[in-house]
Amino acid sequence: DAGITQSPRYKITETGRQVTLMCHQTWSHSYMFWYRQDLGHGLRLIYYSAAADITDKGEVPDGYVVSRSKTENFPLTLESATRSQTSVYFCASNSGGGHGYTFGSGTRLTVV
Amino acid sequence: AQSVTQPDIHITVSEGASLELRCNYSYGATPYLFWYVQSPGQGLQLLLKYFSGDTLVQGIKGFEAEFKRSQSSFNLRKPSVHWSDAAEYFCAVGDWDNQGGKLIFGQGTELSVKP
Repeated sequence: DAGITQSPRYKITETGRQVTLMCHQTWSHSYMFWYRQDLGHGLRLIYYSAAADITDKGEVPDGYVVSRSKTENFPLTLESATRSQTSVYFCASNSGGGHGYTFGSGTRLTVV
Repeated sequence: AQSVTQPDIHITVSEGASLELRCNYSYGATPYLFWYVQSPGQGLQLLLKYFSGDTLVQGIKGFEAEFKRSQSSFNLRKPSVHWSDAAEYFCAVGDWDNQGGKLIFGQGTELSVKP
């Protein structure tokens, strides 16, 4: 089915481990985004990408790495997970030109 | 810097009553403005958006919002709230400084509906 898919839906990991959250979209949208959602902070932008091989930092990029070798995929990697990275992570895509964004269902990550 | 403020963290209204959720933004140019709704455990769904033109925007589920440039506001309204409207609501401004831009969100307003 067309859409934006995030995996896994839930993840528990230990402090210091590397973990990768996956995001896949089927529309060939140029723009993709990673947000984290925390109580009291709304959604904050981690990284975004305007096209394959083009990425840029958002508001809270520290501790995260992204790549975009293919238009449809935009994985987010926590290189060494910390408890402060416990959050719900949302991926989004946008076709550009000011249109609305479409969000995935989110990944709830717990770092213990 | 661009920012969005939702002054009300939590609002409770009775079913059938009218609703207004406040949103104020700070943006240097003409803003692109959005309202999203998030049900518990779910992703975000677009309710409505404003780009230009008529300042009163109609959205899904009976919601509307009015853009007031002089007040830097984009308040969301609904004339009669249903129990299923209980959710968290996010206002956002589109930052189109670079192509495609990015959304800057407010902190959200949680809506509870009393029977």
